[in-house]
Order: sequence, then structure tokens, then C-alpha cells
Amino acid sequence: EAGVTQFPSHSVIEKGQTVTLRCDPISGHDNLYWYRRVMGKEIKFLLHFVKESKQDESGMPNNRFLAERTGGTYSTLKVQPAELEDSGVYFCASSQTDVSSYEQYFGPGTRLTVT
Amino acid sequence: AQSVTQPDIHITVSEGASLELRCNYSYGATPYLFWYVQSPGQGLQLLLKYFSGDTLVQGIKGFEAEFKRSQSSFNLRKPSVHWSDAAEYFCAVQTTGFQKLVFGTGTRLLVSP
Repeated sequence: EAGVTQFPSHSVIEKGQTVTLRCDPISGHDNLYWYRRVMGKEIKFLLHFVKESKQDESGMPNNRFLAERTGGTYSTLKVQPAELEDSGVYFCASSQTDVSSYEQYFGPGTRLTVT
Repeated sequence: AQSVTQPDIHITVSEGASLELRCNYSYGATPYLFWYVQSPGQGLQLLLKYFSGDTLVQGIKGFEAEFKRSQSSFNLRKPSVHWSDAAEYFCAVQTTGFQKLVFGTGTRLLVSP
């Protein structure tokens, strides 16, 4: 079974540009989460999808960030326009809805550098 | 709001020595508790979790953790560290299932020969 995949693994963009990160969850996982780790800080929650619906977007920093989950499958996180403080590692995680297991499976992350 | 404290940013342990990584949480009730590990170039991998029941939980790779309600702690232990255990370790809490994880800042483990 394939794990959570994220693309790209690295992205370097200039301030003011747009970047789109993609996450493919484990097949059949209805829950999809985005997290971000800024250098030296803790991993912070951004938002949570259940299928195609946003369940919790309380962690989204501002309206420059837009997340979508097309058809309840893969998800994209767009940053437009990017700012220097957006640099960090963006993790995606997914989980099933089986109440016997709340484990979130994480992808390897996308390292975003804004210069 | 819940929070997680991992007081040790870096820890160096000799190979074969025992290990204990500290984790304290702040939450009104007993949350769900997790330890994740991130090796270089890898995503976060779940080591173990506590939901309820026996307060000593066993995980993968020979790790265990003990939940102590009175101390609001969930420390990770391993009796004998291997060089391959060098990684960053994260403690996390979750208020209810399927909700967001709240992470500590992580502890980077270095293993000396």
C-alpha cells in the first residue's frame, strides 16, 4: 500500500510568487490534514478535510493560503503571494475514519523556501 | 488550549545506553497522546500512542512510554539505544479522535559511538 505522497519535495520561489503544493493521501482515507513547521518551531496544524469538506481551518495563517481537496482525493495548498515567513516544511497527513485507529500517517513533507 | 512541552531540544546518548525523552502536556482532561519520529528525509512515523487503559504502552522499535496523569507527562523510553535511533522525536496530543494534533517542538537525538 502506498503511503502519503507529497509533491514537490523542495520548492524555492521568490517573494510575491505563487506556489502550489500537492498531497496524495493513502487510498480510502477520508481525513486529510495539512501541517507546517517553520524552522526551529513546532509543527503546527493548518487545516483538516473530511472528504472534500473543510472540517477545521483554524490554523490557516491568512487569506494568502488556499487549500482544496478535489473530489475528496488529493489536496492542494496554494500560497499566493508568497512571503518570506511562509518558508518551512509543509506536511500532509491522512487517516481513516475507523474509530479503532486515530493514527495520522504523514508524508515526507515539502520544503518551501521563499527568497 | 492544549499545549505540549518537550524541554530538551537536543540529547546525546551513547550507543547501548538507555534513553528517556520528556514530554509534558497541558489540557483539562486526558488527551490522546502520541510519539512520532522523523528520520532525515522521511516523514513522521508513529512510534506509539495512548488512548486509555494501561498507562505503559509499547511501541515499535523497542520504544515504550508511560502516561502519568498526576504529572501530565508522557515520557518516551528505550532501554538500549542503537545508532539508527538518531532522529528527531515529537510528542503530540489530540483532544478527541480525528482532530488536529498539537505537537511539541521536538527533541533531536544524537547517538555517539
